[in-house]
Order: sequence, then structure tokens, then C-alpha cells
Amino acid sequence: DADVTQTPRNRITKTGKRIMLECSQTKGHDRMYWYRQDPGLGLRLIYYSFDVKDINKGEISDGYSVSRQAQAKFSLSLESAIPNQTALYFCATSAGDRGDYGYTFGSGTRLTVV
Amino acid sequence: QKEVEQNSGPLSVPEGAIASLNCTYSDRGSQSFFWYRQYSGKSPELIMSIYSNGDKEDGRFTAQLNKASQYVSLLIRDSQPSDSATYLCAVNSIAGGTSYGKLTFGQGTILTVHP
Repeated sequence: DADVTQTPRNRITKTGKRIMLECSQTKGHDRMYWYRQDPGLGLRLIYYSFDVKDINKGEISDGYSVSRQAQAKFSLSLESAIPNQTALYFCATSAGDRGDYGYTFGSGTRLTVV
Repeated sequence: QKEVEQNSGPLSVPEGAIASLNCTYSDRGSQSFFWYRQYSGKSPELIMSIYSNGDKEDGRFTAQLNKASQYVSLLIRDSQPSDSATYLCAVNSIAGGTSYGKLTFGQGTILTVHP
């Protein structure tokens, strides 16, 4: 089994719908992150969390919310999806507080909003 | 100015040549630097990390860091067609003196190694 699992792998949804992307990990890492990737823009941070009680906004959090249900689970929600949220979404985990160990990424969720 | 900048390429090199990928960053307090490889449609995979000035070698890969110039590079020796991918530079982000482990990514450089 993968260390970091994202579900679903692909999703097509309609404008205005609420959608949740889920991430679970078996790495035992405290730190978890949600990024989105768009062509030519690289990876941009949406939200990050250091533990269940610590949630922080990233550079592009508008239109998104998150929930850290447990150390191993970190979900991303789009409350009312819009077409410009069409992107590839990655969940990642890390062990070190300086990112010293780098990230472990999930396989990604390709989201299309029509 | 972007915090982490890479030449988006594409960079094309012949098989067996050295591929040189470059990255500059704006935050002088950054302490940790990473190179990720991403194949099309796949997730990024960590291939190198570097924390101190100088060179770090791992197999065919060498990462180079110059904090004074705010510059980090990746050299791939004996390039193979299987090295064809997007290479992402990532730098840990400092906020209020604490990094929180956040990484800021460049936009990536597309590398093509042709036979």
C-alpha cells in the first residue's frame, strides 16, 4: 500500500457542487499539506497542518477548506466548485520542521469542474 | 518577483550528455533545498536534498548550492531518455523566523533527453 493515499484519483464535478478530496498516510508524519498544480505555475500551497489542532492557510486558500480528522487524515473541501479550480491536487507529508526530510506525495487527484 | 524561479525550458540534451538545471530563490533565510522529478501525470519524487554550500553527489546526480548567490542547481551526468521529466526545485519557506516545514516550488524545468 502507498504511504500517502489520495482519493478519488479522478473526479469530474459541476460548478457549484461541494466536493471533498481525501488524504490518508501511514508514514506517521505530523505535517500534512495540500497543493494544487497548474500547467506553468508549479505547485502552490493551499493549506497545511502540523497536528490535529493546528491548521494554517497557504498562499491560495480562498474557496477551499480543510479538516484534519486525525494525525493520519487530512481532507480538502471545495465548498462551491468553480471551473478555475480545475487542477491536479496533491497531498504531501513531511517529518521535519524545516522540511529537512522533504515531502512524500500522494498520487494526486485530477479534478475537473465543468 | 517569484520566490523560487526556474527556467521552464524545455531543455533538450542528447543521451550521454550532462544536463544542467538551475534555480534561484529570493528568501535569504532559506535553509533546505530539494530537487524533485515529476513524470507526466505522476506525483513528484524526491531525488536530491542539500542543506550546505557546495556540492552533494548521489549516483549520476549532483546538487550544488551557493547561498551567497541564492542559487541551487542540479547536474545529471550521462543523461538517459528515462531522465526525461519535469524537475522541480523546492525551497523551505521562512515565516516569522519559523519555517513550519513549508516548501515553495519553482514552476519546473522540462527536460528531454533524446537518443
